[in-house]
Amino acid sequence: SQTIHQWPATLVQPVGSPLSLECTVEGTSNPNLYWYRQAAGRGLQLLFYSVGIGQISSEVPQNLSASRPQDRQFILSSKKLLLSDSGFYLCAWKLAETQYFGPGTRLLVL
Amino acid sequence: RKEVEQDPGPFNVPEGATVAFNCTYSNSASQSFFWYRQDCRKEPKLLMSVYSSGNEDGRFTAQLNRASQYISLLIRDSKLSDSATYLCVVKSDSNYQLIWGAGTKLIIKP
Repeated sequence: SQTIHQWPATLVQPVGSPLSLECTVEGTSNPNLYWYRQAAGRGLQLLFYSVGIGQISSEVPQNLSASRPQDRQFILSSKKLLLSDSGFYLCAWKLAETQYFGPGTRLLVL
Repeated sequence: RKEVEQDPGPFNVPEGATVAFNCTYSNSASQSFFWYRQDCRKEPKLLMSVYSSGNEDGRFTAQLNRASQYISLLIRDSKLSDSATYLCVVKSDSNYQLIWGAGTKLIIKP
């Protein structure tokens, strides 16, 4: 069965610090992968998606970037965090019409 | 107008009651519709897809009204474990993007 991992579960970072969140998928190959952010009381906002190694599409221009160095690895990064980057970051993969999410990383930027 | 709108609630409902909530969408060309459930501080999980003819899964019934551009979710004989936020998701006419509502919070009380 397919499993999706994210870490860390919780992160507190100062403004201006860098960020690296990792997502890995097991049990499938060449998955479509997604990074979402959910702000408090808001719907999920699609940040990036990837259909394969090295292929990244950005949905929202901002200070975040994503990379897919391996088939089942998706990384979200920032060089300098802003207060507005706080939120719940979710990695997902898609099977047919359904998206399956990892456990998420709760990021608080202070 | 938001692409997908939901009443944020919370809906406070006694155990055993029936509860229903709607979700409206703005894009008349939307193709696919889903309800996801999100427990507090957890990732969203697919509850059910919404078919044109309506569909039922146990105590849950989902309906689509294309003319009025809304989908609904009905929960019968509500259980304490039904307490969660219910997210409405609409697939746009592009082939990869899902548009997420902000969710309706449901609290079932004993």
